[in-house]
Amino acid sequence: GAGVSQSPSNKVTEKGKDVELRCDPISGHTALYWYRQRLGQGLEFLIYFQGNSAPDKSGLPSDRFSAERTGESVSTLTIQRTQQEDSAVYLCASSLVSEIQYFGAGTRLSVL
Amino acid sequence: GEDVEQSLFLSVREGDSSVINCTYTDSSSTYLYWYKQEPGAGLQLLTYIFSNMDMKQDQRLTVLLNKKDKHLSLRIADTQTGDSAIYFCAESRNAGNMLTFGGGTRLMVKP
Repeated sequence: GAGVSQSPSNKVTEKGKDVELRCDPISGHTALYWYRQRLGQGLEFLIYFQGNSAPDKSGLPSDRFSAERTGESVSTLTIQRTQQEDSAVYLCASSLVSEIQYFGAGTRLSVL
Repeated sequence: GEDVEQSLFLSVREGDSSVINCTYTDSSSTYLYWYKQEPGAGLQLLTYIFSNMDMKQDQRLTVLLNKKDKHLSLRIADTQTGDSAIYFCAESRNAGNMLTFGGGTRLMVKP
């Protein structure tokens, strides 16, 4: 596709449930990033994938958060046992190696 | 750790110039970026500057970098109502690295 695509655009879930968020990067982009944006705040880095290298997970806030990426394509961010403080917009970005990051529109997660 | 700071809010009249300021702490920052976020949308890259540059101009946008003071600014000339959005400053050590973002500056343009 032309840009980074994320789905769903909105997700409402109940506290304690698991959620999966999907990111389709720009075709050919080897790097993929997940960020979290809490209401009224800037973006916090979560995790970074680059090719077949081990991902940089240094930004994941707890072991309830995990992410996978298949090759250089789709990535899923999974949040287990969601808590209200997980409510945020989750943004995905992709880039060529050592190039500018391009962002998707994000998934707005609301945990009730 | 790294920190990026921005003022929360800026209000200008249509046709005036807007100046959005940003300070950062990481002296290893190599790339500095300005992103625009409109309501309900993702981040749109506006412009970026390498740390070995002092200024970059792109149409109505002018970026100034004072590396000594770790201060970055974005000037929007002839601001329009369509420029109303949240503007984020971000930095990275390399273009392929994670970005560290400021909290964003909400720009309101009054007609």
